[in-house]
Amino acid sequence: ETGVTQSPTHLIKTRGQQVTLRCSSQSGHNTVSWYQQALGQGPQFIFQYYREEENGRGNFPPRFSGLQFPNYSSELNVNALELDDSALYLCASSLDIMGGRSYNEQFFGPGTRLTVL
Amino acid sequence: GESVGLHLPTLSVQEGDNSIINCAYSNSASDYFIWYKQESGKGPQFIIDIRSNMDKRQGQRVTVLLNKTVKHLSLQIAATQPGDSAVYFCADESNAGNMLTFGGGTRLMVKP
Repeated sequence: ETGVTQSPTHLIKTRGQQVTLRCSSQSGHNTVSWYQQALGQGPQFIFQYYREEENGRGNFPPRFSGLQFPNYSSELNVNALELDDSALYLCASSLDIMGGRSYNEQFFGPGTRLTVL
Repeated sequence: GESVGLHLPTLSVQEGDNSIINCAYSNSASDYFIWYKQESGKGPQFIIDIRSNMDKRQGQRVTVLLNKTVKHLSLQIAATQPGDSAVYFCADESNAGNMLTFGGGTRLMVKP
């Protein structure tokens, strides 16, 4: 186990609704990255938070937003849910001491399975 | 448990044999490469990494080979065990930005 926890484990929503997913990073880690993994595919980078600020974003629309809290835990919010948002959402934490300028092993949580009907 | 990769390419090997999983990457600026293992119901688990100034790195029972000329990465698993059965992903990163780009994955099935 990596020490990264996510909640909830599973979630079912309907189109147009909003959802908040939560991630607790491994102790001592200051960076959280979020990924979307559709069935049968590799994870796709959504965004990363470093010291409570967004530190990079993938090709996802603005209705995907996030937060990082002083304790380095994080939330992923998705507004106006679409059917294609159905996926496994993974968060990964790491310790970055150079503000995004170093390679750091990322530790993944078990994910939240979101189903949009 | 969670089902990952229902339609992924599959490699089936006999227990005790060596496994080789291949991956192609597209970003010539990538300079850090990682192999992950993902079991059903779990997130990806780090196996081994390699930086672009190396062409080979060995771990316990695993070896990663990097060919930057053809942008190809491979993972070799020695004496494959049933516990190695999982989906394997390669990922690359450029400019130390911590944004990992994952490949499509390969399902490894180990026959006893």
